[in-house]
Amino acid sequence: KQEVTQIPAALSVPEGENLVLNCSFTDSAIYNLQWFRQDPGKGLTSLLLIQSSQREQTSGRLNASLDKSSGRSTLYIAASQPGDSATYLCAVYHLSNYQLIWGAGTKLIIKP
Amino acid sequence: GAGVSQSPRYKVAKRGQDVALRCDPISGHVSLFWYQQALGQGPEFLTYFQNEAQLDKSGLPSDRFFAERPEGSVSTLKIQRTQQEDSAVYLCASSLANSYEQYFGPGTRLTVT
Repeated sequence: KQEVTQIPAALSVPEGENLVLNCSFTDSAIYNLQWFRQDPGKGLTSLLLIQSSQREQTSGRLNASLDKSSGRSTLYIAASQPGDSATYLCAVYHLSNYQLIWGAGTKLIIKP
Repeated sequence: GAGVSQSPRYKVAKRGQDVALRCDPISGHVSLFWYQQALGQGPEFLTYFQNEAQLDKSGLPSDRFFAERPEGSVSTLKIQRTQQEDSAVYLCASSLANSYEQYFGPGTRLTVT
């Protein structure tokens, strides 16, 4: 059974720092991996989707990497801003079905 | 364009009441998903539709949960005889056929008192 783990559960850093969020999964038979952002009281916003054949995706200050063989993905946020404060979730699509399997998220706080 | 919408955004129900949660997917999206997200946790899959067909309901936690999508567009998640453990955010997502990328609505926060 696929399990997705995110470490740390919470992170607080000063504005301007670069930071890395981690996601690990137990079964490498994934179709792709997606990083989402969730703001309180709001829905999920897709940040980056990495196909299983890709190693990374970039969007602005965000860079996500994927290493299927080791079952790991990282989300790198450059030059963090207070507006980046949110919960970041990773989820994997399994090869065998369409279901998204989720981590519990990392709650990020960027201090001004 | 319009995204996925859900209503109501917040619902408070007394234990034992029935509730109905609505999801309007993005127009043209064939697939529709329901997820349940408990406080401090990631979402968990409940059920999946392709057009009007419910292809997977393996995630529904009990027979008190029922979902339908009779015309292949709007979907309703119904919970009968609500219990406190049903308190959660219920998320709806839709996607194009043959696409793994799901687009999420804002969710309905259900509180059972």
